[in-house]
Amino acid sequence: KAGVTQTPRYLIKTRGQQVTLSCSPISGHRSVSWYQQTPGQGLQFLFEYFSETQRNKGNFPGRFSGRQFSNSRSEMNVSTLELGDSALYLCASSLDDRSHYGYTFGSGTRLTVV
Amino acid sequence: GQNIDQPTEMTATEGAIVQINCTYQTSGFNGLFWYQQHAGEAPTFLSYNVLDGLEEKGRFSSFLSRSKGYSYLLLKELQMKDSASYLCAVRGRDYKLSFGAGTTVTVRA
Repeated sequence: KAGVTQTPRYLIKTRGQQVTLSCSPISGHRSVSWYQQTPGQGLQFLFEYFSETQRNKGNFPGRFSGRQFSNSRSEMNVSTLELGDSALYLCASSLDDRSHYGYTFGSGTRLTVV
Repeated sequence: GQNIDQPTEMTATEGAIVQINCTYQTSGFNGLFWYQQHAGEAPTFLSYNVLDGLEEKGRFSSFLSRSKGYSYLLLKELQMKDSASYLCAVRGRDYKLSFGAGTTVTVRA
């Protein structure tokens, strides 16, 4: 079965712009989580969606937002980009948010803000 | 919130055994995960522990002690391809998954 698909793989944006990243989970998976990964901070939780509802949110400013569609695909949006937003953004899906099978990660979107 | 600690780096020889420790402080506990991440790639799921004890999966084993807030990942018969970052992640009361900073394991011939 197809894995978690994230698009685009690479993105270069200018400070002040906004960006939308997309994540298509594994078919049948209803939970989608987003993480920011940087060399200094490691993997930081952004938010989690389950059946179109945001179930959890990390400690990121309101410039970071997301949504999930009825087909479980998810998007995250970052507005007014800052240099510090440069990172690898990872999406992970699971059957549900109580899954003990773990979360399957996509290959990520590497965002560079210049 | 969660506080998850693991060593930054470990080096071992091919064929040897390495144990990566993870200690955590958490508000509630709903499982501990170990992930492997090769440079430039996505993390991949290795193991899940929710009850105390040892879970074995081939060359990899993971142990959990909830009372001590402690887990370890044991890698046996190390191979060069095991050189990677190993991430300990704890799922808290709110089911959020929080990751440690990761342990970079280097396997030498």
